[in-house]
Amino acid sequence: ETGVTQSPTHLIKTRGQQVTLRCSSQSGHNTVSWYQQALGQGPQFIFQYYREEENGRGNFPPRFSGLQFPNYSSELNVNALELDDSALYLCASSSGTYNEQFFGPGTRLTVL
Amino acid sequence: DQQVKQNSPSLSVQEGRISILNCDYTNSMFDYFLWYKKYPAEGPTFLISISSIKDKNEDGRFTVFLNKSAKHLSLHIVPSQPGDSAVYFCAASEWETSGSRLTFGEGTQLTVNP
Repeated sequence: ETGVTQSPTHLIKTRGQQVTLRCSSQSGHNTVSWYQQALGQGPQFIFQYYREEENGRGNFPPRFSGLQFPNYSSELNVNALELDDSALYLCASSSGTYNEQFFGPGTRLTVL
Repeated sequence: DQQVKQNSPSLSVQEGRISILNCDYTNSMFDYFLWYKKYPAEGPTFLISISSIKDKNEDGRFTVFLNKSAKHLSLHIVPSQPGDSAVYFCAASEWETSGSRLTFGEGTQLTVNP
């Protein structure tokens, strides 16, 4: 059974650019959550997708958007990148919105 | 507004002794609490959880205690092993209404010395 995978592992962008991060959920999981972990902080909830629909959003601006595909993989898009967007982005999948989440290794985004 | 706080950024203990990691929360609507462990270059992995209707949950070497009146929980690891060295995150959820959307603390780096 393959766990949660994320791509790319590392990414460097400049201010104002756009970025897309990808997450493949664990087999059988229909729920994906995205978190942002800034240096020295705990993960912060960005949003959750359940069966291709957004199911809750944290305190992040609209330039953070997402998608979930029919195979339950997911994308996180960030437009107009700012320096403060530099962080580790974690994806977690689960077999429902009330079930244990399994995290991927994350994508390290650096904005210069 | 930091709703979940781990006030100790780091903790160092000797192998075989007890490790106690603490966590405080401010949101009285939280009804489910979890601890995660994170190694470098890996995602957090679930350790143990507790519902607000309980005050203790035990799983092998790991025990979580919840004091609702003090809005405080702690994770006890007995005995501590060098492989337990990692960052530990406390997380909370309004599980009844929001399910698995988690609010995390800042983390505590645990180092277990041989």
